Amino acid sequence: AQSVTQLDSHVSVSEGTPVLLRCNYSSSYSPSLFWYVQHPNKGLQLLLKYTSAATLVKGINGFEAEFKKSETSFHLTKPSAHMSDAAEYFCVVILYNTGNMLTFGGGTRLMVKP
Amino acid sequence: SQTIHQWPATLVQPVGSPLSLECTVEGTSNPNLYWYRQAAGRGLQLLFYSVGIGQISSEVPQNLSASRPQDRQFILSSKKLLLSDSGFYLCAWSVGAGANVLTFGAGSRLTVL
Repeated sequence: AQSVTQLDSHVSVSEGTPVLLRCNYSSSYSPSLFWYVQHPNKGLQLLLKYTSAATLVKGINGFEAEFKKSETSFHLTKPSAHMSDAAEYFCVVILYNTGNMLTFGGGTRLMVKP
Repeated sequence: SQTIHQWPATLVQPVGSPLSLECTVEGTSNPNLYWYRQAAGRGLQLLFYSVGIGQISSEVPQNLSASRPQDRQFILSSKKLLLSDSGFYLCAWSVGAGANVLTFGAGSRLTVL
């Protein structure tokens, strides 16, 4: 069974409009959750992480994500997209019943139109 | 500060040839080290991880192997490459007993022809 699902493989927005990248997880335990960003031919960079503190987490570059336990979701948002936000985004979960290993979602490619 | 280096950045190899990708970490001790592969249009797949010198755990059976000859060095190898080995290989490290936050290298793009 898939532990983390990114609902959209591609998202396209216009510059200056809001961004929503969706992520759902399946776990009986309280997970730790992360969002990573990968620009073309680069490694991954941590955007933000949730580790059972505040449910609304603020990250770098104006991104934030809200942990909603009732919906088992951790969607990534940004009020206004910038051209430099075009990249692939990965939702990642640590499930403590898997030996603390990271499980990556399939990724969402964000395209930003001028 | 901690840094992570991967090389080569780009590699084109014929089917059946050997492979060696190297990863080194600076500025930290006893890191957990990881090799991930990212195939075209897919997410990241964990290949190997290591919690110490000589300690390698394999997540996916395949014709690849990993070694950790020194605390901050992690090597990914193959004796005979397959076409399906093409992809973007990422080395990463973390510290602490749990997987925690990963810091990734810039990646090595392997094309097998």
